[in-house]
Amino acid sequence: DVKVTQSSRYLVKRTGEKVFLECVQDMDHENMFWYRQDPGLGLRLIYFSYDVKMKEKGDIPEGYSVSREKKERFSLILESASTNQTSMYLCAIGRAENTGELFFGEGSRLTVL
Amino acid sequence: SQKIEQNSEALNIQEGKTATLTCNYTNYSPAYLQWYRQDPGRGPVFLLLIRENEKEKRKERLKVTFDTTLKQSLFHITASQPADSATYLCALSNSGGGADGLTFGKGTHLIIQP
Repeated sequence: DVKVTQSSRYLVKRTGEKVFLECVQDMDHENMFWYRQDPGLGLRLIYFSYDVKMKEKGDIPEGYSVSREKKERFSLILESASTNQTSMYLCAIGRAENTGELFFGEGSRLTVL
Repeated sequence: SQKIEQNSEALNIQEGKTATLTCNYTNYSPAYLQWYRQDPGRGPVFLLLIRENEKEKRKERLKVTFDTTLKQSLFHITASQPADSATYLCALSNSGGGADGLTFGKGTHLIIQP
């Protein structure tokens, strides 16, 4: 079974704090993605990476950065959390040579007070 | 801009009947169309993928159609069961491997009434 593990299921942070969300996969997939999901807005792509040290902006990268130092690990960083970043964050992985189906983690629900 | 539309209102279906969900898109010519299931508080789970040159794909009680002229996909669950209740997401991509990420619809909440 494909396993995508997100470091925290629930986090509560204060405005201005730095937040790290980590995603680890055990499947050796090349592509990794960070989405956020909000009611009424659906899933929106923040950043993705198709290789170690490579990153690409998605549709809503503002206020976020990412890091991929190892193939199995993709981190999402909120340098200075704001209340409008309260959301469900979902990590996903995909293989470069297949047709594009993604495997998601269980999600990290972040609340910024 | 690219737009994917799914029924925003919940769909209530009686157990045993066929549930049909719709996904329409505009300003897009996807190579692949996918359907995912999402349960509350969980990540989406991949169900089916259909390519632009395929009309129909089946998997057990699931059937997906893809009409590139109408820019529409229909997702059918036959002999529906209460356990099928969930939110179903439609997603599009241009490339293999999802290398540029998938674009998702907002999902349709399906409720199967016993």
